[in-house]
Amino acid sequence: DAGVTQSPTHLIKTRGQQVTLRCSPKSGHDTVSWYQQALGQGPQFIFQYYEEEERQRGNFPDRFSGHQFPNYSSELNVNALLLGDSALYLCASSLDQAVRNTIYFGEGSWLTVV
Amino acid sequence: GQQLNQSPQSMFIQEGEDVSMNCTSSSIFNTWLWYKQEPGEGPVLLIALYKAGELTSNGRLTAQFGITRKDSFLNISASIPSDVGIYFCAGPPLGTYKYIFGTGTRLKVLA
Repeated sequence: DAGVTQSPTHLIKTRGQQVTLRCSPKSGHDTVSWYQQALGQGPQFIFQYYEEEERQRGNFPDRFSGHQFPNYSSELNVNALLLGDSALYLCASSLDQAVRNTIYFGEGSWLTVV
Repeated sequence: GQQLNQSPQSMFIQEGEDVSMNCTSSSIFNTWLWYKQEPGEGPVLLIALYKAGELTSNGRLTAQFGITRKDSFLNISASIPSDVGIYFCAGPPLGTYKYIFGTGTRLKVLA
């Protein structure tokens, strides 16, 4: 049973560039959320995708966008990268259900902006 | 961003000792999750709690969902060196899909 997989594992980008991160959810899950984790802090919610639509968004600028595909996989795009975007980007998957919701994380993508 | 209050911030303990940490929120949660994160890795789910007063164990770990629904506790018994890491609590505020995370408890175990 495959868990949440993310790619790439590490990447370095230059300020102003754009980046795309990818995520495949845990088998059987239909919902994908993205979190940003800065060094020494807890994960911060970016947005959640369900049925190929952004269902909820956290306090992140429009430079952060995403997409969910029919197979439930997802992408996170960040445009016009800033130095402050350097962080661990975590994908979390879950099954949309009314009760007993649990989210499972991937290993993350380390983004360094120079 | 919004975070839960988690304490203690860090702990240095001797191998074999018990550990207790807690998490508090200003709002009611209907789910509490506890994660462990090791350097360079994503958070790994340890225990999930879904009901006020619920007490759940996972090996040497025991977590409780506070009666007020605004807090949760995690205990680790007889700590071992591999317990080292950062422990996070998390929960979704009512009516939202996002999970709010605690500030983390950094645990170091001295052999």
